[in-house]
Amino acid sequence: EAEVAQSPRYKITEKSQAVAFWCDPISGHATLYWYRQILGQGPELLVQFQDESVVDDSQLPKDRFSAERLKGVDSTLKIQPAELGDSAMYLCASSHTRTASPYEQYFGPGTRLTVT
Amino acid sequence: ILNVEQSPQSLHVQEGDSTNFTCSFPSSNFYALHWYRWETAKSPEALFVMTLNGDEKKKGRISATLNTKEGYSYLYIKGSQPEDSATYLCAFVRQKVTFGTGTKLQVIP
Repeated sequence: EAEVAQSPRYKITEKSQAVAFWCDPISGHATLYWYRQILGQGPELLVQFQDESVVDDSQLPKDRFSAERLKGVDSTLKIQPAELGDSAMYLCASSHTRTASPYEQYFGPGTRLTVT
Repeated sequence: ILNVEQSPQSLHVQEGDSTNFTCSFPSSNFYALHWYRWETAKSPEALFVMTLNGDEKKKGRISATLNTKEGYSYLYIKGSQPEDSATYLCAFVRQKVTFGTGTKLQVIP
């Protein structure tokens, strides 16, 4: 069964350093999401892509976070510089539909980031 | 910011007990509600996609109901097993997806 791939699974970095996460969605899925889940809270949408275009990045802290999906397939989320408050689980998900749809999202295993 | 609440935050049940928890969401402009199960060290897994008021869905011992007019959904687990231990998340879908904070279930053998 096809899965969403994410790497690395775990990342420890010092504050002020740069960090990057990678996501490869299920083949053919047009929509890709990046979420941040802080312990004790639900996942919060950071950015949503439709193919290579950003359709929602209203909750992305753009002074330090950036995301790209250049060829409309895999995606990279970058943080520079990392801050202590960025410690969280970063989840990637994909969906085969092209609209904000009722269909479920398929999640990767996440990247656990610890900023020291 | 939409308010999607889940209760309880956590619960412990004995193996064999049945249990249920709640997801509350805005009752206006409903589009869809998702339920996910998230086991430790694994990916969140979709359980149900619910779109119609009165929907009832079932997968094995787990079932869910939906009331869009009053803005809530219940998730039921019949005869809980240790492998049901996980965090159960609901996600309210309108223009975007808004997750609740989850209910962490621990089933004690």
